[in-house]
Amino acid sequence: AQSVTQLDSQVPVFEEAPVELRCNYSSSVSVYLFWYVQYPNQGLQLLLKYLSGSTLVKGINGFEAEFNKSQTSFHLRKPSVHISDTAEYFCAVSDPSGYSTLTFGKGTMLLVSP
Amino acid sequence: NAGVTQTPKFQVLKTGQSMTLQCAQDMNHNSMYWYRQDPGMGLRLIYYSASEGTTDKGEVPNGYNVSRLNKREFSLRLESAAPSQTSVYFCATGGTQKSPLHFGNGTRLTVT
Repeated sequence: AQSVTQLDSQVPVFEEAPVELRCNYSSSVSVYLFWYVQYPNQGLQLLLKYLSGSTLVKGINGFEAEFNKSQTSFHLRKPSVHISDTAEYFCAVSDPSGYSTLTFGKGTMLLVSP
Repeated sequence: NAGVTQTPKFQVLKTGQSMTLQCAQDMNHNSMYWYRQDPGMGLRLIYYSASEGTTDKGEVPNGYNVSRLNKREFSLRLESAAPSQTSVYFCATGGTQKSPLHFGNGTRLTVT
């Protein structure tokens, strides 16, 4: 069985500061990894995904994530955040044979203040 | 707009009442899913349907039933609502390499 741990439930940062949201996973097989974002009162939107290939993945809105197999991590980063990045971020994992059933982490609330 | 449409957006039920949450997608995907979201718990899979005519249990299926009416529609039914089912329910479709999960905007359900 797979699991996802998001190490921080809340991350407060100031506008234009860099941010890293941490995600670790456990799995006995190779995995696909995802980050989703949820703005208030909305559904989840895909930010980026890692399926194979380059371990540095770039997504929408200036976010990127790095897959580290030895540390079983997939941390999300942005060099300079905006107020509009305030949202909840979810890391998710699936195995290639069962792509469709994602396991989500509990989420990290990113709070950007001026 | 192409996507996933959920109805209703909000619902309040009394304990023991029943209701059906509706979901329709116009993205022509085979797979559809129902998740629930609770504070501090992330999203948990209730049921999914890999294709028309098939359904499977997810992580938290107790107290729910589903119907895959056709390729577009996947409904979630609460036969006898309980306060523990107070949650935000999300329907999703997709789940392929070319098209990861695409979510609806959710149904906020309160059971008193």
